[in-house]
Amino acid sequence: VNLVQSGGGFVKSGGSLTLSCAASGFTLSDDYMAWIRQAPGRGLEWIASLPTLADAMYADSVKGRFTISRDSAKNSLFLHMTSLTAEDTAVYFCARDPIAVSRSLFYFDYWGQGTLVTVSS
Amino acid sequence: QSVLTQPPSVSGAPGQTITISCTGSSSNIGAGHDVHWYQQLPGTAPKLLIRENTNRPSGVPDRFSGSKSGSSASLAISGLQADDESDYYCQSYDIRLRTYVFGTGTRVTV
Repeated sequence: VNLVQSGGGFVKSGGSLTLSCAASGFTLSDDYMAWIRQAPGRGLEWIASLPTLADAMYADSVKGRFTISRDSAKNSLFLHMTSLTAEDTAVYFCARDPIAVSRSLFYFDYWGQGTLVTVSS
Repeated sequence: QSVLTQPPSVSGAPGQTITISCTGSSSNIGAGHDVHWYQQLPGTAPKLLIRENTNRPSGVPDRFSGSKSGSSASLAISGLQADDESDYYCQSYDIRLRTYVFGTGTRVTV
């Protein structure tokens, strides 16, 4: 199992950016997938999850601005971020949330390497 | 922002045993949701260390052990080694917030 992230970089406040996470070794659509971020010098913050069959879930801090999605053909996960502010500056990780009997196990067993998003004003 | 509270730092000498606490509430750990632990070495992605309160994923040394009681959980590291120096995070799910929640993080110094 491997998750390889791409995207990220510098963006101006109010701008948009899309992060990608390519999965290998498993079928991404068979599990829940999530994005978690870590602001510089801070702790981990869950921001979005994409269940296998239900609607996406978002933290209040990003709801209405970020969209999590997947492309099954590419076995890839995406995070489309809009209306970015300095508070969104962080390293963003994609992660797998394994399921059992079609339900989330509520933990993250494999993580991408992380990608830095810097929002400048 | 974090709803799970951990001590900012814990230190110990090589070979000693240390314990990291994770205190939650009746809407997360106390509601019966499992606690999971991650190790994050500087500049790297977190690594799952303990899942579902007490279970070690394959490859994690048995020096690492987890426990849960009431609205709290603990991670113990025995036979402390230099390469255990890292940040450690607990994680659960909060039924009131309906979000995954992480602890504030603990830096272990050996």
